[in-house]
Amino acid sequence: EVQLQQSGAELVKPGASVKLSCKTSGYTFSNYYMSWLKQMPGQNIEWIGNIYGGNGGTGYNQKFKGKATLTVDKSSSTAYMDLSSLTSEDSAVYFCARDDNNHLDWYFDFWGPGTMVTVSS
Amino acid sequence: EIVLTQSPTTMAASPGEKVTLTCRASSSVSYMHWYQQRSGASPKLWIYETSKLASGVPNRFSGSGSGTSYSLTINSMETEDAATYYCQQGSSYPYTFGAGTKLELK
Repeated sequence: EVQLQQSGAELVKPGASVKLSCKTSGYTFSNYYMSWLKQMPGQNIEWIGNIYGGNGGTGYNQKFKGKATLTVDKSSSTAYMDLSSLTSEDSAVYFCARDDNNHLDWYFDFWGPGTMVTVSS
Repeated sequence: EIVLTQSPTTMAASPGEKVTLTCRASSSVSYMHWYQQRSGASPKLWIYETSKLASGVPNRFSGSGSGTSYSLTINSMETEDAATYYCQQGSSYPYTFGAGTKLELK
């Protein structure tokens, strides 16, 4: 059974950084991309970027370049996302989700439960 | 960036009623994918590649469309179908979602 387990809620101060984790099980981590997505309260879902579990190759939404940095640890089948220079606009729930595709058209077949990040002084 | 516009924003349906949600893309896409999200939960893949039902999705759901116009249909509304549905395109970077249709039970 595919499972994505995300780290717990974070309360961080403006200007600080935070590192979120997504530990996976039930599939071969190195064979898939992992995406990170942002959802502000009551709002739309935004795709931040993705990372390949095999070699750490990344792709980013231009909007989040400089804000988010994606990494992986193959030995523990875990994906990470660093968020830097946090402001109130970064307060949101962040999901990791496994990418899948057919004919190179991509969708997200398994999702983590999300991590709530609150930026407040 | 491909913008996805969903309509309606909110709707209410009675049990047994047929429901159709639409999603229009600002440029042509190869497929459309749909997710169901209940309050406080993570989204679930619901329909992928326009018309394929994800595992466990009841067959009263169906998807169709091509190019810039896609739809999700519920043949006969049930209580458990009340949720927000998002469309998503994975044809080109950045992957984008529609703003969602909140489907309520009347």
